[in-house]
Amino acid sequence: QVRLVESGGGVAQPGGSLTLSCAASGFTFRSYGMHWVRQAPGKGLEWVAFIWYDGNIKNYRDSVKGRFTISRDQSKNTLFLQMSSLRVDDTAVYYCARDLTYGPGSYLDSWGQGTLVTVSS
Amino acid sequence: QSVLTQPPSVSGAPGQRVTISCSLRNSNIGTGYDVHWYQQLPGTAPKLLIFANKNRPSGVPDRFSGSKSDTSASLAITGLQSEDEADYYCHCGDVFGTGTKVLVL
Repeated sequence: QVRLVESGGGVAQPGGSLTLSCAASGFTFRSYGMHWVRQAPGKGLEWVAFIWYDGNIKNYRDSVKGRFTISRDQSKNTLFLQMSSLRVDDTAVYYCARDLTYGPGSYLDSWGQGTLVTVSS
Repeated sequence: QSVLTQPPSVSGAPGQRVTISCSLRNSNIGTGYDVHWYQQLPGTAPKLLIFANKNRPSGVPDRFSGSKSDTSASLAITGLQSEDEADYYCHCGDVFGTGTKVLVL
């Protein structure tokens, strides 16, 4: 079955950097787009970034543009999120999720368990 | 930026029917965009509940149903059960709804 396992979360100082990983298994990773979605403590879900199945298209929410980079390693079935210039309001649980794109849109059909990023001095 | 507005909470007794609305302020929701729904049980990751307005993935009980009109989407839970107590989010494009906590009285 589809399995997504995030890692790399932890504590970082404001202005610092972290790289999150998401190991995928149970499906043909190179055939699917992937998302990062985050959830601040006690808050709702917030879409962060998306990468097309072949890595050629990447989209970001405005607040992370220029600071976060989404990428993927097809040979290792792994998704990444490089985060730099971290801010306190980036504190959240970060989930990776698989994209299911069809004609009129797309949805996230499988999610990982999440990894917590805390930005604090 | 688009916003999907949901009521903060809804409640019902076991066996009752509850509905959660999801409205889009700038009405993109009525112009060919589909809406999806996710359930997040306490302390767990979100799970896909409804896709493309009204479709249930395999394994989702048929007491969950979705619908969409020109200006909003809705999630209905009939025959409410204690295990349905969770947060529910609608989703359209790159926007998630504000979230609704369902309380089983």
